[in-house]
Amino acid sequence: AQKVTQTQTSISVMEKTTVTMDCVYETQDSSYFLFWYKQTASGEIVFLIRQDSYKKENATVGHYSLNFQKPKSSIGLIITATQIEDSAVYFCAMRVASSGQKLVFGQGTILKVYL
Amino acid sequence: EAAVTQSPRSKVAVTGGKVTLSCHQTNNHDYMYWYRQDTGHGLRLIHYSYVADSTEKGDIPDGYKASRPSQENFSLILELASLSQTAVYFCASTRDRANSDYTFGSGTRLLVI
Repeated sequence: AQKVTQTQTSISVMEKTTVTMDCVYETQDSSYFLFWYKQTASGEIVFLIRQDSYKKENATVGHYSLNFQKPKSSIGLIITATQIEDSAVYFCAMRVASSGQKLVFGQGTILKVYL
Repeated sequence: EAAVTQSPRSKVAVTGGKVTLSCHQTNNHDYMYWYRQDTGHGLRLIHYSYVADSTEKGDIPDGYKASRPSQENFSLILELASLSQTAVYFCASTRDRANSDYTFGSGTRLLVI
């Protein structure tokens, strides 16, 4: 069975700094996909970035990047130059090719960005 | 623009009553999902569907039924609502590819009293 764990319940950072959110996962599959989603204060959930297990390069989209450490089953989300609008709940999720296209989510990390 | 629309946005239901949550997608996606969100638990999968007229159980299906009458529509049914089913429910859709991300609806806030 697959499992995704986010141990950081809440993080507070000053605007314009860099923040890293941790995520570890468990799977027996050799092929899997790791996702990060953002849930805004309104409740909307949006896709941010994806890492494919077979790719060694860390994915980057805008001011989001990933720190993929496959031997440690870890996929950290890095947000550079944080803005107030980045305040939200961030979810890590995993999908394995053999699981029928199901996403398994972590518990989420609350990010608060202050001036 | 591809979208997933949920209705109602919020609902108050009486214990023991029947509740139907609806989801409509215009993404032309084959896969649809119902998730439940509770504080501290993230999102947990209730039911999902690969194709019209077929549904599958997710990780927490007890107390819920699902219906997929067409590719675009996916409903979640609580036959006998209970207090423990108070939560926010999200519908999502995705393509038939393991690396495809989900498109989520805006959620339905359900309060069972």
